[in-house]
Amino acid sequence: GNSVTQMEGPVTLSEEAFLTINCTYTATGYPSLFWYVQYPGEGLQLLLKATKADDKGSNKGFEATYRKETTSFHLEKGSVQVSDSAVYFCALSDRNTGTASKLTFGTGTRLQVTL
Amino acid sequence: DSGVTQTPKHLITATGQRVTLRCSPRSGDLSVYWYQQSLDQGLQFLIQYYNGEERAKGNILERFSAQQFPDLHSELNLSSLELGDSALYFCASSGSRLAGAHNEQFFGPGTRLTVL
Repeated sequence: GNSVTQMEGPVTLSEEAFLTINCTYTATGYPSLFWYVQYPGEGLQLLLKATKADDKGSNKGFEATYRKETTSFHLEKGSVQVSDSAVYFCALSDRNTGTASKLTFGTGTRLQVTL
Repeated sequence: DSGVTQTPKHLITATGQRVTLRCSPRSGDLSVYWYQQSLDQGLQFLIQYYNGEERAKGNILERFSAQQFPDLHSELNLSSLELGDSALYFCASSGSRLAGAHNEQFFGPGTRLTVL
């Protein structure tokens, strides 16, 4: 079955540091890949997505590239802010055939950014 | 704001009881998904409905059931509750008939269930 593996957290960084959160996946076929973010006390928000190999998703300074050869979708940001403190989830979805399919999530990585 | 609403926000109940969680999808979305987020199991898919019909089932216990109504809102029913059912339950929607099929899901704020 499908699975997603994320690096263990928490990750603690100083403001303006470079962020990488590793994500690798196992899936049959060609999944779509997502990063979701969960701020304290809130639901999940889609941060970015990529639907095919070599696609780069980007949003709010975050980027991730769909690497089929390494089955990875690592999240990066060049300069983190305190407001980026949250839990980040990598997820995949089977390629849809007309309706979306369930998301398989990683365990989440907590990011804490300090001044 | 994702456009997905869930009620109630918090629910505290006792073991053995039954509760109903409600979800209203984004306007035009046909699919509704239910997920459970717990400390030990992480985020797990429970069940999907598409336009009123069950489409996929995940790790949903037999004590749990769901349905999607003609107006596309959905309810998740949890019965014979156990301490281990305490979790955050999320609803997500996708598949807007206006935008065409796509696989992006939009999440509601969740219902936090505490079983005492």
